Amino acid sequence: EAGVVQSPRYKIIEKKQPVAFWCNPISGHNTLYWYRQNLGQGPELLIRYENEEAVDDSQLPKDRFSAERLKGVDSTLKIQPAELGDSAVYLCASSLWGGNEQYFGPGTRLTVT
Amino acid sequence: AQKITQTQPGMFVQEKEAVTLDCTYDTSDQSYGLFWYKQPSSGEMIFLIYQGSYDEQNATEGRYSLNFQKARKSANLVISASQLGDSAMYFCAMREGNSGGYQKVTFGTGTKLQVIP
Repeated sequence: EAGVVQSPRYKIIEKKQPVAFWCNPISGHNTLYWYRQNLGQGPELLIRYENEEAVDDSQLPKDRFSAERLKGVDSTLKIQPAELGDSAVYLCASSLWGGNEQYFGPGTRLTVT
Repeated sequence: AQKITQTQPGMFVQEKEAVTLDCTYDTSDQSYGLFWYKQPSSGEMIFLIYQGSYDEQNATEGRYSLNFQKARKSANLVISASQLGDSAMYFCAMREGNSGGYQKVTFGTGTKLQVIP
């Protein structure tokens, strides 16, 4: 069974540029999470989807961040415009609805210069 | 107040010895879950073990066990017979809310474990 797939693995952009990350969860997993992990810190939840519905986006900086999961499967996280402080690893995870275990993808390491 | 506190930024352990990684948590929910994840230098987060707040027995998964002390609000990870491949960051996390309902997951800041040959 394929795990959570994320692309790209690495991205370097200049500040004020847009960037997008893509995630394909494990087949059959209704719940999808986007986390941001700053250097030396644990992951922080940005948004959580149940199917195509964003059920928790309280930590998503909505002025510059947006996310979508149109068909309830794969998801895209976008930053526009990027700031220097957005440099981090962006992790996607998925789980069965109500499941205890979240399965994480390899992450996208974003560097904003 | 921090939801999850990991007070050990770094730990060393001799190969084949046991090591305990500390985690304390703060919640007012009666139903919650506690997790440990391993993050090697390659970056992926690997699920290790889960303990539900109503579970009476401490969770075990192979060489991993979770020392759950509910009254003290602690959920320490014990790794027995450490191996070189155990060198990684270890994160404690807590799910608040009922399984099947709203779940907010909060991670600690992590402990870097280094296994010495």
